[in-house]
Amino acid sequence: DAKTTQPTSMDCAEGRAANLPCNHSTISGNEYVYWYRQIHSQGPQYIIHGLKNNETNEMASLIITEDRKSSTLILPHATLRDTAVYYCIVMKGNSGGYQKVTFGTGTKLQVIP
Amino acid sequence: EAQVTQNPRYLITVTGKKLTVTCSQNMNHEYMSWYRQDPGLGLRQIYYSMNVEVTDKGDVPEGYKVSRKEKRNFPLILESPSPNQTSLYFCASFNSGANVLTFGAGSRLTVL
Repeated sequence: DAKTTQPTSMDCAEGRAANLPCNHSTISGNEYVYWYRQIHSQGPQYIIHGLKNNETNEMASLIITEDRKSSTLILPHATLRDTAVYYCIVMKGNSGGYQKVTFGTGTKLQVIP
Repeated sequence: EAQVTQNPRYLITVTGKKLTVTCSQNMNHEYMSWYRQDPGLGLRQIYYSMNVEVTDKGDVPEGYKVSRKEKRNFPLILESPSPNQTSLYFCASFNSGANVLTFGAGSRLTVL
């Protein structure tokens, strides 16, 4: 499975957009990019995922580069409740089977009042 | 409500005393997995199961066993726990329709 690289930590002012980058240069053609977040020691929470196209839902937007080697998660208007560790992972969807997945250490996002 | 349920949520035990952490999902998902989380190391996969009676090792399977006798349950078994298995454990199941992995609330285990 492809590995991901994320910055260890980032700060963002409340109300501003938070842009979290992720590198996944060894991603395979059938692997999706997923983003999860973990608040304190709770179970990781799904945010968004995509294959090639940019995606948007009620929580965030996902921008994937054309070569799919990197992506950016955008929280359009960060709030204090968005303070969490954000994980970028790559994994196959159902058609490819679901096997080993590595979460890594993620990016600790601190939203500042 | 669709969910992944783990029990116990908190457990303190002693070295060598066998224990089982249960995981149950009510979503009829085929895929389930176990992770452990330690400070500075992120989430590491212990075991996963593609379906009933089909299990395979993740990145850190040593000291753990699993079973998948029915689709809804995927227990994690520590036959002889040791202090280095003190950790936060998460169970997850995969929704193949939505392509989303759903996690349980976690089980914090301390082995003395």
